[in-house]
Amino acid sequence: DVKVTQSSRYLVKRTGEKVFLECVQDMDHENMFWYRQDPGLGLRLIYFSYDVKMKEKGDIPEGYSVSREKKERFSLILESASTNQTSMYLCAGRGQANTGELFFGEGSRLTVL
Amino acid sequence: AQSVTQPDIHITVSEGASLELRCNYSYGATPYLFWYVQSPGQGLQLLLKYFSGDTLVQGIKGFEAEFKRSQSSFNLRKPSVHWSDAAEYFCAVGAGNYGQNFVFGPGTRLSVLP
Repeated sequence: DVKVTQSSRYLVKRTGEKVFLECVQDMDHENMFWYRQDPGLGLRLIYFSYDVKMKEKGDIPEGYSVSREKKERFSLILESASTNQTSMYLCAGRGQANTGELFFGEGSRLTVL
Repeated sequence: AQSVTQPDIHITVSEGASLELRCNYSYGATPYLFWYVQSPGQGLQLLLKYFSGDTLVQGIKGFEAEFKRSQSSFNLRKPSVHWSDAAEYFCAVGAGNYGQNFVFGPGTRLSVLP
Protein backbone atom coordinates (compact mmCIF):
# COMPACT_ATOMS: atom_id res chain seq x y z
CA ASP A 1 0.00 0.00 0.00
CA VAL A 2 0.98 3.58 -0.59
CA LYS A 3 2.27 5.29 2.50
CA VAL A 4 2.85 8.91 3.46
CA THR A 5 4.53 9.38 6.82
CA GLN A 6 4.68 12.55 8.87
CA SER A 7 7.36 12.21 11.49
CA SER A 8 5.76 14.34 14.20
CA ARG A 9 2.14 13.87 15.20
CA TYR A 10 2.11 16.51 17.92
CA LEU A 11 4.43 19.46 18.45
CA VAL A 12 4.42 22.35 20.89
CA LYS A 13 6.67 25.29 20.03
CA ARG A 14 7.19 28.81 21.25
CA THR A 15 6.67 31.98 19.26
CA GLY A 16 9.73 32.77 17.17
CA GLU A 17 11.08 29.22 17.05
CA LYS A 18 12.00 27.61 13.76
CA VAL A 19 9.85 24.57 13.06
CA PHE A 20 10.44 21.70 10.67
CA LEU A 21 7.66 19.36 9.64
CA GLU A 22 8.89 16.31 7.80
CA CYS A 23 7.02 14.17 5.31
CA VAL A 24 8.18 11.03 3.54
CA GLN A 25 6.37 9.10 0.82
CA ASP A 26 7.11 5.70 -0.66
CA MET A 27 5.20 6.13 -3.93
CA ASP A 28 8.14 7.23 -6.07
CA HIS A 29 5.95 9.95 -7.52
CA GLU A 30 6.79 13.52 -8.14
CA ASN A 31 3.94 15.49 -6.68
CA MET A 32 3.75 16.33 -2.99
CA PHE A 33 1.69 18.84 -1.07
CA TRP A 34 1.39 20.60 2.26
CA TYR A 35 -2.01 21.69 3.53
CA ARG A 36 -3.18 23.24 6.73
CA GLN A 37 -6.57 22.43 8.15
CA ASP A 38 -8.50 24.74 10.44
CA PRO A 39 -12.08 24.47 11.73
CA GLY A 40 -14.45 26.28 9.43
CA LEU A 41 -11.77 26.93 6.82
CA GLY A 42 -11.27 23.42 5.49
CA LEU A 43 -8.04 22.40 3.80
CA ARG A 44 -5.87 25.13 2.34
CA LEU A 45 -2.85 24.51 0.15
CA ILE A 46 0.39 26.01 1.44
CA TYR A 47 2.95 24.72 -1.06
CA PHE A 48 3.34 21.92 -3.52
CA SER A 49 6.26 20.35 -5.32
CA TYR A 50 6.20 18.61 -8.68
CA ASP A 51 9.79 17.44 -8.70
CA VAL A 52 13.00 17.47 -6.71
CA LYS A 53 14.08 21.02 -5.91
CA MET A 54 10.93 22.35 -7.57
CA LYS A 55 8.27 24.11 -5.54
CA GLU A 56 5.26 26.28 -6.14
CA LYS A 57 3.23 28.46 -3.82
CA GLY A 58 -0.26 27.43 -2.97
CA ASP A 59 -3.02 29.60 -1.61
CA ILE A 60 -1.47 30.56 1.73
CA PRO A 61 2.35 30.44 1.49
CA GLU A 62 3.06 33.45 3.71
CA GLY A 63 5.15 32.53 6.74
CA TYR A 64 6.15 29.16 5.31
CA SER A 65 8.85 27.69 3.12
CA VAL A 66 9.50 24.18 1.84
CA SER A 67 12.39 21.95 0.90
CA ARG A 68 12.47 19.05 -1.56
CA GLU A 69 16.03 17.75 -1.76
CA LYS A 70 15.04 14.15 -2.40
CA LYS A 71 12.06 12.75 -4.22
CA GLU A 72 10.65 10.97 -1.24
CA ARG A 73 10.92 13.82 1.27
CA PHE A 74 9.07 17.12 1.41
CA SER A 75 9.62 19.38 4.39
CA LEU A 76 7.59 22.33 5.58
CA ILE A 77 9.49 25.05 7.43
CA LEU A 78 8.16 27.77 9.67
CA GLU A 79 11.05 30.21 9.90
CA SER A 80 9.63 32.02 12.91
CA ALA A 81 6.55 30.39 14.33
CA SER A 82 3.63 32.54 15.35
CA THR A 83 0.50 31.74 17.31
CA ASN A 84 -1.67 32.03 14.20
CA GLN A 85 0.20 29.08 12.75
CA THR A 86 -1.29 26.80 15.36
CA SER A 87 -3.05 24.26 13.19
CA MET A 88 -3.22 20.74 11.82
CA TYR A 89 -0.74 20.25 8.96
CA LEU A 90 -1.36 17.57 6.39
CA CYS A 91 1.15 16.26 3.89
CA ALA A 92 -0.02 14.45 0.76
CA GLY A 93 1.44 12.72 -2.25
CA ARG A 94 -0.24 12.26 -5.57
CA GLY A 95 -0.58 8.77 -6.88
CA GLN A 96 -0.74 9.57 -10.57
CA ALA A 97 -0.37 12.66 -12.69
CA ASN A 98 -3.55 14.47 -13.72
CA THR A 99 -6.11 11.95 -12.55
CA GLY A 100 -4.64 10.54 -9.41
CA GLU A 101 -5.93 10.93 -5.93
CA LEU A 102 -4.00 12.41 -3.05
CA PHE A 103 -2.67 10.12 -0.33
CA PHE A 104 -2.44 11.80 3.05
CA GLY A 105 -0.25 11.36 6.05
CA GLU A 106 -1.67 11.17 9.58
CA GLY A 107 -1.20 14.88 10.14
CA SER A 108 0.95 16.99 12.45
CA ARG A 109 -0.85 19.05 15.05
CA LEU A 110 1.26 22.09 15.85
CA THR A 111 0.61 24.36 18.81
CA VAL A 112 2.55 27.61 19.01
CA LEU A 113 2.55 29.25 22.44
CA ALA B 1 -12.22 28.57 -10.82
CA GLN B 2 -13.50 25.32 -9.53
CA SER B 3 -15.36 25.07 -6.24
CA VAL B 4 -17.02 22.44 -4.11
CA THR B 5 -19.95 22.89 -1.78
CA GLN B 6 -21.25 20.54 0.85
CA PRO B 7 -24.55 22.00 2.03
CA ASP B 8 -24.73 20.05 5.27
CA ILE B 9 -22.26 21.01 7.97
CA HIS B 10 -23.44 18.35 10.39
CA ILE B 11 -25.69 15.33 9.98
CA THR B 12 -26.89 12.95 12.64
CA VAL B 13 -28.29 9.53 11.79
CA SER B 14 -29.18 6.45 13.78
CA GLU B 15 -27.10 3.33 13.44
CA GLY B 16 -28.56 1.14 10.71
CA ALA B 17 -30.21 4.03 8.90
CA SER B 18 -29.32 5.01 5.36
CA LEU B 19 -27.07 7.97 4.64
CA GLU B 20 -26.67 10.47 1.85
CA LEU B 21 -24.09 13.25 1.95
CA ARG B 22 -24.45 15.93 -0.66
CA CYS B 23 -21.73 17.44 -2.80
CA ASN B 24 -22.00 19.97 -5.60
CA TYR B 25 -19.12 21.17 -7.68
CA SER B 26 -18.33 23.86 -10.17
CA TYR B 27 -15.80 22.99 -12.82
CA GLY B 28 -15.49 23.84 -16.49
CA ALA B 29 -14.39 20.48 -17.80
CA THR B 30 -14.95 16.85 -16.95
CA PRO B 31 -14.20 16.69 -13.26
CA TYR B 32 -12.20 14.20 -11.34
CA LEU B 33 -14.19 13.72 -8.15
CA PHE B 34 -13.28 12.22 -4.82
CA TRP B 35 -14.72 11.51 -1.40
CA TYR B 36 -12.44 11.37 1.63
CA VAL B 37 -13.14 10.50 5.25
CA GLN B 38 -11.29 11.86 8.27
CA SER B 39 -11.53 10.42 11.76
CA PRO B 40 -10.67 12.77 14.64
CA GLY B 41 -6.98 13.61 14.80
CA GLN B 42 -6.20 11.61 11.67
CA GLY B 43 -5.33 12.29 8.07
CA LEU B 44 -7.75 11.90 5.17
CA GLN B 45 -8.51 8.49 3.73
CA LEU B 46 -9.85 8.02 0.20
CA LEU B 47 -13.30 6.42 0.08
CA LEU B 48 -13.86 6.45 -3.67
CA LYS B 49 -13.16 8.34 -6.86
CA TYR B 50 -14.72 9.08 -10.22
CA PHE B 51 -12.77 9.77 -13.40
CA SER B 52 -14.99 8.54 -16.21
CA GLY B 53 -17.27 5.70 -17.23
CA ASP B 54 -19.95 4.29 -14.97
CA THR B 55 -21.47 7.15 -13.02
CA LEU B 56 -22.13 4.97 -9.97
CA VAL B 57 -18.87 4.19 -8.23
CA GLN B 58 -18.25 1.83 -5.37
CA GLY B 59 -15.80 2.54 -2.61
CA ILE B 60 -14.47 1.10 0.57
CA LYS B 61 -16.47 0.50 3.75
CA GLY B 62 -19.71 -0.03 1.82
CA PHE B 63 -19.92 3.51 0.41
CA GLU B 64 -20.98 4.44 -3.08
CA ALA B 65 -21.38 7.73 -4.94
CA GLU B 66 -23.22 8.79 -8.04
CA PHE B 67 -21.99 11.37 -10.50
CA LYS B 68 -24.76 13.44 -12.06
CA ARG B 69 -23.40 15.82 -14.63
CA SER B 70 -26.74 17.59 -15.15
CA GLN B 71 -26.90 18.47 -11.46
CA SER B 72 -23.16 18.97 -10.96
CA SER B 73 -23.41 16.62 -8.03
CA PHE B 74 -21.49 13.73 -6.59
CA ASN B 75 -23.46 12.52 -3.58
CA LEU B 76 -22.15 9.88 -1.23
CA ARG B 77 -24.44 7.12 0.02
CA LYS B 78 -24.43 4.19 2.35
CA PRO B 79 -27.44 1.91 2.86
CA SER B 80 -26.80 1.14 6.53
CA VAL B 81 -24.60 3.27 8.74
CA HIS B 82 -22.36 1.79 11.42
CA TRP B 83 -21.24 3.62 14.57
CA SER B 84 -17.66 3.53 13.24
CA ASP B 85 -18.72 5.71 10.30
CA ALA B 86 -18.87 8.75 12.58
CA ALA B 87 -16.26 11.07 11.09
CA GLU B 88 -15.88 14.07 8.81
CA TYR B 89 -16.41 13.61 5.11
CA PHE B 90 -14.86 15.73 2.39
CA CYS B 91 -15.79 15.94 -1.26
CA ALA B 92 -13.04 17.11 -3.62
CA VAL B 93 -12.43 18.03 -7.23
CA GLY B 94 -8.99 17.24 -8.62
CA ALA B 95 -7.60 19.57 -11.22
CA GLY B 96 -4.37 20.96 -12.58
CA ASN B 97 -1.47 19.15 -14.18
CA TYR B 98 0.19 18.60 -10.83
CA GLY B 99 -2.95 18.43 -8.72
CA GLN B 100 -2.30 21.91 -7.48
CA ASN B 101 -5.93 22.79 -7.96
CA PHE B 102 -7.29 19.99 -5.86
CA VAL B 103 -10.26 21.72 -4.24
CA PHE B 104 -11.90 20.38 -1.13
CA GLY B 105 -15.36 21.07 0.14
CA PRO B 106 -15.79 22.36 3.69
CA GLY B 107 -16.71 18.94 5.00
CA THR B 108 -19.75 17.31 6.58
CA ARG B 109 -19.49 15.97 10.09
CA LEU B 110 -21.43 12.76 10.60
CA SER B 111 -22.65 11.70 14.02
CA VAL B 112 -24.18 8.27 14.56
CA LEU B 113 -26.68 7.56 17.32
CA PRO B 114 -26.72 4.09 18.88
